[in-house]
Amino acid sequence: DTGVSQDPRHKITKRGQNVTFRCDPISEHNRLYWYRQTLGQGPEFLTYFQNEAQLEKSRLLSDRFSAERPKGSFSTLEIQRTEQGDSAMYLCASSRLGQGDEKLFFGSGTQLSVL
Amino acid sequence: GESVGLHLPTLSVQEGDNSIINCAYSNSASDYFIWYKQESGKGPQFIIDIRSNMDKRQGQRVTVLLNKTVKHLSLQIAATQPGDSAVYFCAENAGGTSYGKLTFGQGTILTVHP
Repeated sequence: DTGVSQDPRHKITKRGQNVTFRCDPISEHNRLYWYRQTLGQGPEFLTYFQNEAQLEKSRLLSDRFSAERPKGSFSTLEIQRTEQGDSAMYLCASSRLGQGDEKLFFGSGTQLSVL
Repeated sequence: GESVGLHLPTLSVQEGDNSIINCAYSNSASDYFIWYKQESGKGPQFIIDIRSNMDKRQGQRVTVLLNKTVKHLSLQIAATQPGDSAVYFCAENAGGTSYGKLTFGQGTILTVHP
């Protein structure tokens, strides 16, 4: 499979616990995005990387959220001290800068449930 | 704040009919628009895009129309098939450093009856 891969697919955690998600983008893609989607809504932009540099973060990304892309390949998104409001689908997408249109290819997401 | 929205939350059609899904946007600075299809349990899948210097673009069985005067975007699906059943999102980008930073609308549920 050469698409965007996310792990785990589902995560159930208790409030206050930390969770970490992983995203493996399409191999030749140099940009990687994180989005969050709640039921019945469209995805909301959280942050993006160009290679290993995090270029932009949304106001939605509170201090409890941190994302990394240490080698410019896979990325991790960590949520510390989870809250019930963090329950959502966390989507990763990648693209290749330079094509002019920068089509995003999304993974299947990690569904987080905070109890 | 500025946002992208949809007129109809649900659309039900018969197999073989043409479908039209509409979207209104409010950010006049947006210059790139995309339609995505999302099936249950999957991430959004790119369907078609259009830049603000165009008013129409066609793909395989799909056409996107852009009316900048009234800030309206539509997706036309010809000969709709049961496999087209999904949630459809329009998304916009206001340019800047990344065309991947998108603002999505709420979504329209398309149901195709055989």
